[in-house]
Amino acid sequence: AQSVTQPDIHITVSEGASLELRCNYSYGATPYLFWYVQSPGQGLQLLLKYFSGDTLVQGIKGFEAEFKRSQSSFNLRKPSVHWSDAAEYFCAVGVPAGGYQKVTFGTGTKLQVIP
Amino acid sequence: DGGITQSPKYLFRKEGQNVTLSCEQNLNHDAMYWYRQDPGQGLRLIYYSQIVNDFQKGDIAEGYSVSREKKESFPLTVTSAQKNPTAFYLCASSIVDYFLTDTQYFGPGTRLTVL
Repeated sequence: AQSVTQPDIHITVSEGASLELRCNYSYGATPYLFWYVQSPGQGLQLLLKYFSGDTLVQGIKGFEAEFKRSQSSFNLRKPSVHWSDAAEYFCAVGVPAGGYQKVTFGTGTKLQVIP
Repeated sequence: DGGITQSPKYLFRKEGQNVTLSCEQNLNHDAMYWYRQDPGQGLRLIYYSQIVNDFQKGDIAEGYSVSREKKESFPLTVTSAQKNPTAFYLCASSIVDYFLTDTQYFGPGTRLTVL
């Protein structure tokens, strides 16, 4: 069975600093990979996704993620964080499961941005 | 605007009561999903449906029931058999893609509290 690990429960960065959120997965093949963001009390918004091809994926709000097969990782990055980026971020993997794509979510990383 | 709506935003239930959470989408998506989110945990799949009049149990279906009478609607009933129903409930939808590259899009969520 697949699994997703987000090792950092909580991260604090200064506004304007760079950001990297870690995501590692376990699966026997290359899964589909997603990053979602959730503001308090809201639903999840898709930031970016990787299905195949170029391993560096660009998303919305200036985020990007890099798929590294050798490390089973899909880390999310942003060169300069804005206060509005404070939220919880979820990494997810999708794998084939009986005719549909089963998506497994990580436990999330809460981002705090300080001025 | 196309999207997913969930109602109500907040719901309070007395012990022993059944309650129904509404989920409607106008994205013309075939598949719909219900997830439960608890603090510090990822999202866990309750039920999913890929086509009208058909649905499948997810990882934590016990104490929940669903119906899919219309493509646009996928209501979730939390029954009195669900021992710990206080949680944030998220509905999602996606296309059904032969290559399983479908992406799930989320509604704003319903917070259920048992009194």
